[in-house]
Amino acid sequence: GNSVTQMEGPVTLSEEAFLTINCTYTATGYPSLFWYVQYPGEGLQLLLKATKADDKGSNKGFEATYRKETTSFHLEKGSVQVSDSAVYFCALSRASSGNTPLVFGKGTRLSVIA
Amino acid sequence: GAVVSQHPSRVICKSGTSVKIECRSLDFQATTMFWYRQFPKQSLMLMATSNEGSKATYEQGVEKDKFLINHASLTLSTLTVTSAHPEDSSFYICSAGSTSGGAGEQYFGPGTRLTVT
Repeated sequence: GNSVTQMEGPVTLSEEAFLTINCTYTATGYPSLFWYVQYPGEGLQLLLKATKADDKGSNKGFEATYRKETTSFHLEKGSVQVSDSAVYFCALSRASSGNTPLVFGKGTRLSVIA
Repeated sequence: GAVVSQHPSRVICKSGTSVKIECRSLDFQATTMFWYRQFPKQSLMLMATSNEGSKATYEQGVEKDKFLINHASLTLSTLTVTSAHPEDSSFYICSAGSTSGGAGEQYFGPGTRLTVT
């Protein structure tokens, strides 16, 4: 079946440090891949997405590249800020529309300290 | 971008009472909405898939008689927690998939924190 595995947290970084959160997936075919972010007490917000191999999603300084050969979609940011403290979820979808549930990883909590 | 709202954002109720949570897609039509439950510091657990005009599809282990889902229009789905008990206390999140969204992405509501005393 389809599944997403992401690195266990929590991850604690100093401001301006480099961030990597690993995400790998198992799926047949070519799923779409997503990173969602959840700030404390809020719902999930789409951070970035990629729909085919070698696509790079980017937003707010975050990037992730769809790597079919390694079935990975690692999230990176060159210089984190305190405001990036949140929980990050990697997810996949086998559907071309939004009518199929997403498959989520377990989430990685990031804390950035000044 | 697509916006999904939830109401209420927080609710406290007494054990044995029922609580209704509304999920609305504000600027798009959602033929399918999803209801998730999230325990503290954990990932989202899919409870059910709600299709407009038809019965919801519940995930294994979710009591359909306890968590009533209605999706009467293309912009509104409701989740009613019936005869709530303290163990139902949780963060409930809805999401909606737009048929024109492409790539299978979904748009999430801000969540409803339910506390049953």
